[in-house]
Amino acid sequence: EAGVTQSPTHLIKTRGQQATLRCSPISGHTSVYWYQQALGLGLQFLLWYDEGEERNRGNFPPRFSGRQFPNYSSELNVNALELEDSALYLCASSSGLADTGELFFGEGSRLTVL
Amino acid sequence: KNQVEQSPQSLIILEGKNCTLQCNYTVSPFSNLRWYKQDTGRGPVSLTIMTFSENTKSNGRYTATLDADTKQSSLHITASQLSDSASYICVVSARRGSTLGRLYFGRGTQLTVWP
Repeated sequence: EAGVTQSPTHLIKTRGQQATLRCSPISGHTSVYWYQQALGLGLQFLLWYDEGEERNRGNFPPRFSGRQFPNYSSELNVNALELEDSALYLCASSSGLADTGELFFGEGSRLTVL
Repeated sequence: KNQVEQSPQSLIILEGKNCTLQCNYTVSPFSNLRWYKQDTGRGPVSLTIMTFSENTKSNGRYTATLDADTKQSSLHITASQLSDSASYICVVSARRGSTLGRLYFGRGTQLTVWP
């Protein structure tokens, strides 16, 4: 069974541009989480999607947005890129069940803003 | 305020030695607690998941404990290996009825194992 897949693996952009990152959850998982991990720092919660709806978002500006498609895959968009947006962006998926809902992470997308 | 605090922030041990990492949380209502291992530049990999009723769970050389009363968890690593060098992250899930609620991440403990 395929795990959580993210694309692209690496992405280089310049300030002011837009970046789009994609995530395919494990088959059967309906919840997708997005996290930002700047170099040397912990994971910062960005967005949580479940059943196609945005359930929660972290303390990030509105230029960070996303969506979840009917097949539960998800997209993270970052507009008007700034240098400090350079980070590893991790996607995780879960079945959404409270007690048994395992949480699997992808390998991440490394975004570099020049 | 829901929080997850991990200690120590970093730890250096010699190969073959044991170590214990700590996680304190204030997340409510509590659903479960997970420990993850994250190698540099990679996605976190699950080590254990513990629900309210579980006190101890092992995964090879990793043993996690949970005290739901004091809201504390520990991850004990036995006979450390060089490959154990990584960041260990404690993640606590809130409950939203029968479904998974918000996830709260600790900042992680950076473990370095020296030969």
